[in-house]
Amino acid sequence: QVQLQESGPGLVKPSETLSLTCTVSGGSISTYYWNWIRQSPGKGLEWIGYIYYSGSTNYSPSLKSRVTVSLDTSKNQFSLKLSSVTAADTAVYYCARDLAAAGSFDYWGQGTLVTVSS
Amino acid sequence: QSALTQPRSVSGSPGQSVTISCTGTRSDVGGYDYVSWYQQHPGRAPKLMIYDLRNRPSGVPDRFSGSKSGNTASLTISGLQAEDEADYYCCSYAGSYTFAVFGGGTKLTVL
Repeated sequence: QVQLQESGPGLVKPSETLSLTCTVSGGSISTYYWNWIRQSPGKGLEWIGYIYYSGSTNYSPSLKSRVTVSLDTSKNQFSLKLSSVTAADTAVYYCARDLAAAGSFDYWGQGTLVTVSS
Repeated sequence: QSALTQPRSVSGSPGQSVTISCTGTRSDVGGYDYVSWYQQHPGRAPKLMIYDLRNRPSGVPDRFSGSKSGNTASLTISGLQAEDEADYYCCSYAGSYTFAVFGGGTKLTVL
């Protein structure tokens, strides 16, 4: 059974960089598409970006200038960096697997709340 | 404002059927058969219920079904059960540039 687990600071100061890591267990990261998705408090879901096991990436146009997703196959992990954060970036951040880059996210992490505040 | 439009809430009694709509454009829902539906209980991660418009992952009851007409996709839940009470989100592939867009979510209440 594939499991995903997010980790990283729960509090980030405005203008700084949000950094999260997703550890994949029960399966290899060397296939499929690995995504970051967020959910602002009381609101809907927003796709942030993905990385394919080959290293190719795709980011949301609205966040592209601030987002970097990277992969560490030796640790079965992938990571998110979101720069120049503001209060609007406060959200629960999820990592998720997509089978075929078609927006079908079949495995999700439990989510981690990141608050942007000074 | 979400890219896909869903009703804020729907309700039904146990045993009844409900349908949740998800309206987009030709650039997303209408242009591809890559619509997925997610169930989210409070404090939990979303769970994939339908993918590729009408396919159910292993373990999802056949009471859940998906369909599409034009730019509107629909999730139908038949034989409503108390545990179906949750938020439901649709998601559509929107091309290689935008990739994935979500609906704003629908709160299902089982009366």
